[in-house]
Amino acid sequence: EVQLVESGGGLVQPGGSLRLSCAASGFTFSNYWMHWVRQVPGKGLVWVSRINSDGSSISYADSVRGRFTISRDSAKNTLYLQMNSLRAEDTAVYYCARDPCPNAVCVFDYWGQGTLVTVSS
Amino acid sequence: DIQMTQSPSSLSASVGDRVTITCRASQSISGSLNWYQQKPGKAPKVLIYAASSLQSGVPSSFSGSGSGTDFTLTISSLQPEDLATYYCQQTYRLPYTFGQGTKLEIK
Repeated sequence: EVQLVESGGGLVQPGGSLRLSCAASGFTFSNYWMHWVRQVPGKGLVWVSRINSDGSSISYADSVRGRFTISRDSAKNTLYLQMNSLRAEDTAVYYCARDPCPNAVCVFDYWGQGTLVTVSS
Repeated sequence: DIQMTQSPSSLSASVGDRVTITCRASQSISGSLNWYQQKPGKAPKVLIYAASSLQSGVPSSFSGSGSGTDFTLTISSLQPEDLATYYCQQTYRLPYTFGQGTKLEIK
């Protein structure tokens, strides 16, 4: 059974840092692209970042580029999102999602349960 | 960035009704369009990928169509468990963008 389990969310002050983790199991982690998506409670879904299967290609949304860093550790089957210089507008539930692209159709076929990040003083 | 516009933003329908949600892309995205269902307090779940392919395990009451810039998600016979918000997403080009969502309520 495919499972994605996020952790690391919490309350942080503006300007602070947080590292999110997404532990993957039930599939060959190194074969898949992985994404982070965020959602302000009550609002829509916003794509944040993507890393390809071997970590050689990374993309970010303009709103987080230069502040967030996505990475992966295939030995630990874990995806990360290092978030620095956090702002109030980064407050959201953060989801990790699996993507079989480019070996198959690009789609977020499995999602974690989400972890809430709150940026507030 | 490619903008995705869904309509309506919300709708209320009765059990058994046929429901259609539309999604328009700001430029052609070929067939690179996915539909997700998000129930309250839960993570999104893929229903339709590549515009018209039904994800494994999803009821056949859900279907998708379209290509280029205009797409539709249809629920052929609405069930109480279909209460959710529905999102379209383009995966034609990064950044992958979502529609603003359509909140479906059951009358």
